[in-house]
Amino acid sequence: EAGVAQSPRYKIIEKRQSVAFWCNPISGHATLYWYQQILGQGPKLLIQFQNNGVVDDSQLPKDRFSAERLKGVDSTLKIQPAKLEDSAVYLCASSLLPRRQLNYGYTFGSGTRLTVV
Amino acid sequence: DAKTTQPTSMDCAEGRAANLPCNHSTISGNEYVYWYRQIHSQGPQYIIHGLKNNETNEMASLIITEDRKSSTLILPHATLRDTAVYYCIVRVNTNAGKSTFGDGTTLTVKP
Repeated sequence: EAGVAQSPRYKIIEKRQSVAFWCNPISGHATLYWYQQILGQGPKLLIQFQNNGVVDDSQLPKDRFSAERLKGVDSTLKIQPAKLEDSAVYLCASSLLPRRQLNYGYTFGSGTRLTVV
Repeated sequence: DAKTTQPTSMDCAEGRAANLPCNHSTISGNEYVYWYRQIHSQGPQYIIHGLKNNETNEMASLIITEDRKSSTLILPHATLRDTAVYYCIVRVNTNAGKSTFGDGTTLTVKP
């Protein structure tokens, strides 16, 4: 099966600029996650969607970050305006709904590496 | 979701078994243990998961203690390609369960 697709692979922007990341999950995966991974640390959950509804966005810095998942498939994550500390890899992951199987392991994309200068 | 504790780093000789420990002393009865690994410049990859019984698949074995407060991921014959950061996570197996990643264990397989 095709994996989780993310684009762009790399992005360099100046502070205070805006940036958007795109994610296409595995077909049929109703749950989608965005993680932020700062160099040397584990991934940190930003937001979780089930279909096109938000399940958890408690760790999303809502003053500058926003995310949407239209039609319950693709998702975009936006940062506006960017700060130096937003430099990180942004990972998208997807998984099946609980009733379909017992394995809730996530499938991750390769991520987008953001550098804010 | 309960938190986990893992050693920061470990070394293993190529061809030998790699045993990666994880402590999850506050795990709840309905929480599963999941393991992922992350090879440089890639997203994390699911390895294995279990509730209370030992589990084995083509990648690894998972041994969970009887009290479920700790577990060990076993790579039976480590290769250089197994060099990665390994994450142990506990979560409920529902859609509301979150996978909270710590900083993991950096496993270095040496020739």
